[in-house]
Amino acid sequence: GENVEQHPSTLSVQEGDSAVIKCTYSDSASNYFPWYKQELGKRPQLIIDIRSNVGEKKDQRIAVTLNKTAKHFSLHITETQPEDSAVYFCAASRTQAGTALIFGKGTTLSVSS
Amino acid sequence: GAVVSQHPSRVICKSGTSVKIECRSLDFQATTMFWYRQFPKQSLMLMATSNEGSKATYEQGVEKDKFLINHASLTLSTLTVTSAHPEDSSFYICSASAVAGGELFFGEGSRLTVL
Repeated sequence: GENVEQHPSTLSVQEGDSAVIKCTYSDSASNYFPWYKQELGKRPQLIIDIRSNVGEKKDQRIAVTLNKTAKHFSLHITETQPEDSAVYFCAASRTQAGTALIFGKGTTLSVSS
Repeated sequence: GAVVSQHPSRVICKSGTSVKIECRSLDFQATTMFWYRQFPKQSLMLMATSNEGSKATYEQGVEKDKFLINHASLTLSTLTVTSAHPEDSSFYICSASAVAGGELFFGEGSRLTVL
């Protein structure tokens, strides 16, 4: 089955700096890679996702890159703000009915002002 | 976006009792729902895949007789933690997608505390 590794486990940056979180996956058939933000005690919220037919996707300050050959994908947050502080999870799955997302272990991002 | 609702959000029970958690897709039909468990400061771990009208598929290490899953309709899946023990205390979250391979929507989560 799929296995997703995520690094780093914790990341501290100054407000305005960029933050990068990296993930690798094992199943070469995986073709859907979402990123979630989770605040304490709440459900995960999708912030951006990418499918295997593209190498990069951007949404304002957030971008995701995908390297299918190397089986890794990354989340980039620019101009970080204190409200970006949360736990971020990457995930991977095949896009077929009945296939669950497999999550990385999470990265706790702290943005200090 | 699509809405998945979960109930109860918090439950406290005594050791040895059973607890039922409901997961509903409010504005779409979900042939498949997924149940995850999240311990403090850890990731979401897939417990089982709930299939409407058939038996659930459990992940390795998850006891099917302890975590009973019923998916009796296209909008409702239930997870029953039987004979709960303190080590079952966790955050249980269900999820479903409106279309195959589409965005996965999560319920609010249910925090179970077993005394």
